[in-house]
Amino acid sequence: DGGITQSPKYLFRKEGQNVTLSCEQNLNHDAMYWYRQDPGQGLRLIYYSQIVNDFQKGDIAEGYSVSREKKESFPLTVTSAQKNPTAFYLCASSIPDRGTEAFFGQGTRLTVV
Amino acid sequence: GQQLNQSPQSMFIQEGEDVSMNCTSSSIFNTWLWYKQDPGEGPVLLIALYKAGELTSNGRLTAQFGITRKDSFLNISASIPSDVGIYFCAGTRGVTGGGNKLTFGTGTQLKVEL
Repeated sequence: DGGITQSPKYLFRKEGQNVTLSCEQNLNHDAMYWYRQDPGQGLRLIYYSQIVNDFQKGDIAEGYSVSREKKESFPLTVTSAQKNPTAFYLCASSIPDRGTEAFFGQGTRLTVV
Repeated sequence: GQQLNQSPQSMFIQEGEDVSMNCTSSSIFNTWLWYKQDPGEGPVLLIALYKAGELTSNGRLTAQFGITRKDSFLNISASIPSDVGIYFCAGTRGVTGGGNKLTFGTGTQLKVEL
């Protein structure tokens, strides 16, 4: 079945360590996105990519980095510079000419201890 | 970045009741979307709206794109227990094509009492 796969579902890391969250899609979508969700809040955009080898900062990019070497993959690295990394991270993708209809993965809950 | 104002923040209703929630913005949006999120899962797209004044249904769900382009409404008729979850509105200001950024509302948490 086509879809977006995020892994792992749960991730625990020590403070000061970098961690990479995986996002893979087999929907042949050009655009991919990373969102952060905190309790009681909506989704905030971290980074997005409209095409391979290109990506743009979203509203809260500080402390995060991404790469887009393949169409299917858009990994997110949470660096030690992110001051409050504990959150629920969501990856999404969309078709360019229907760019507003983003489809989401199941999320990764990152806890930094 | 801006977040859309969504109300109510939470609702506790009885099974069979109709539900209404809305989303407002100080800016004009060209697209409105409504998502539902179950606990610990990613949001699932319910309805997409592309034209001011558009009224679209998906089963028991009906959503409308406000005439002013600054608001949208979602109605759920005859609620059932599986309607429980958080409902998010989202919108874009850009024209269609190529990775438009979605701005999300703060969410409405719906709880249904049997």
